[in-house]
Amino acid sequence: AQTVTQSQPEMSVQEAETVTLSCTYDTSESDYYLFWYKQPPSRQMILVIRQEAYKQQNATENRFSVNFQKAAKSFSLKISDSQLGDAAMYFCASYLSPPQGGSEKLVFGKGTKLTVNP
Amino acid sequence: SAVISQKPSRDICQRGTSLTIQCQVDSQVTMMFWYRQQPGQSLTLIATANQGSEATYESGFVIDKFPISRPNLTFSTLTVSNMSPEDSSIYLCSVSRGSETQYFGPGTRLLVL
Repeated sequence: AQTVTQSQPEMSVQEAETVTLSCTYDTSESDYYLFWYKQPPSRQMILVIRQEAYKQQNATENRFSVNFQKAAKSFSLKISDSQLGDAAMYFCASYLSPPQGGSEKLVFGKGTKLTVNP
Repeated sequence: SAVISQKPSRDICQRGTSLTIQCQVDSQVTMMFWYRQQPGQSLTLIATANQGSEATYESGFVIDKFPISRPNLTFSTLTVSNMSPEDSSIYLCSVSRGSETQYFGPGTRLLVL
């Protein structure tokens, strides 16, 4: 079974500082994708960044980057130069190519609540 | 990405009644999904809405409780039937264009009294 674990229920960071959110996952597959989504109080789920498992290079999107350690099944999100607007719930998710006849789905971790202090 | 709207954005309902939630996308998409997010929890997939055929439900979710329609490639509905307070959640629609990346609608916040 596919599982995603976020061990930090809450994190806080000072504005302009850097914070890292942790995520580990468990899969026996070699072909999969990993995502970080952000859910602000407005509750809209916003895609932050994605990583293909077959790519060794860590994905980067502006101030957001990941540290993808495939052997350790670890997928952490680093937010640089934190801004007040980064305050939100952050969910790590994994996607497996469905088996024949199976359904596609994302499996989500429980989330990390990030607070940004001015 | 895609522009996704959901109606209603929120509702308060009486137990025993039903509510239909609409999801509209600004362009054709291959896949549409419905998720539930219970208070303070993560997202759980309810079902995949298949165009022109019955939805595919995940374990623990049944068609009688959560009937889904998908009449075309840009629209889907989820009905929460015979509601109880345990159905109070955020219901989210997501879409993908045949890839692994899903984009989410703004969600519908449901409170059942």
